[in-house]
Amino acid sequence: DAGVTQSPTHLIKTRGQQVTLRCSPKSGHDTVSWYQQALGQGPQFIFQYYEEEERQRGNFPDRFSGHQFPNYSSELNVNALLLGDSALYLCASSSRTGEQYFGPGTRLTVT
Amino acid sequence: AQTVTQSQPEMSVQEAETVTLSCTYDTSENNYYLFWYKQPPSRQMILVIRQEAYKQQNATENRFSVNFQKAAKSFSLKISDSQLGDTAMYFCAFMKPNTGANSKLTFGKGITLSVRP
Repeated sequence: DAGVTQSPTHLIKTRGQQVTLRCSPKSGHDTVSWYQQALGQGPQFIFQYYEEEERQRGNFPDRFSGHQFPNYSSELNVNALLLGDSALYLCASSSRTGEQYFGPGTRLTVT
Repeated sequence: AQTVTQSQPEMSVQEAETVTLSCTYDTSENNYYLFWYKQPPSRQMILVIRQEAYKQQNATENRFSVNFQKAAKSFSLKISDSQLGDTAMYFCAFMKPNTGANSKLTFGKGITLSVRP
């Protein structure tokens, strides 16, 4: 079982650019959640995808968008990057048991 | 809205000793889940232990156990026989069950635990 995988591991972008982060859920999981973790802070919920639809959303602007594919994998897109978007982006997958399993994260640096 | 508070930013413990990490939360829900996650320097968030609010018995996973006080809205983690590999950030998290899809996790700010050899 590969667990939750994320790509890329690290990413450096310039202000104003757009970025796409990818996540493959753990085998048997159908729900994907995305979190933003600033340095030294707890993760903050961005949104959650289930059955290819956004089911819940946290307090993040519309610059943050996502997608879930039929194979349950997911993408997080961030447009018009700001310096404040620099963070670790975590993907978590879950099934009906509710336990969320996290991937290793993507470290995004915006310069 | 739910909030999770971890008021201790850092703790240190001697190897083989016992340490307790504190967490309080605020919610108007009666049914919910509480979790402790561990995040080592490698940054992979790992689930340590889970507690269902409707269960009075405290959850235990090997050296890890919780003290769940529902009325006080307190959820502490006890690590027995601390090991060097326990060095990490520990996050307390709350989840309200949701119909259909699963719900989001609300995290505390975390506590950095250092285990001294």
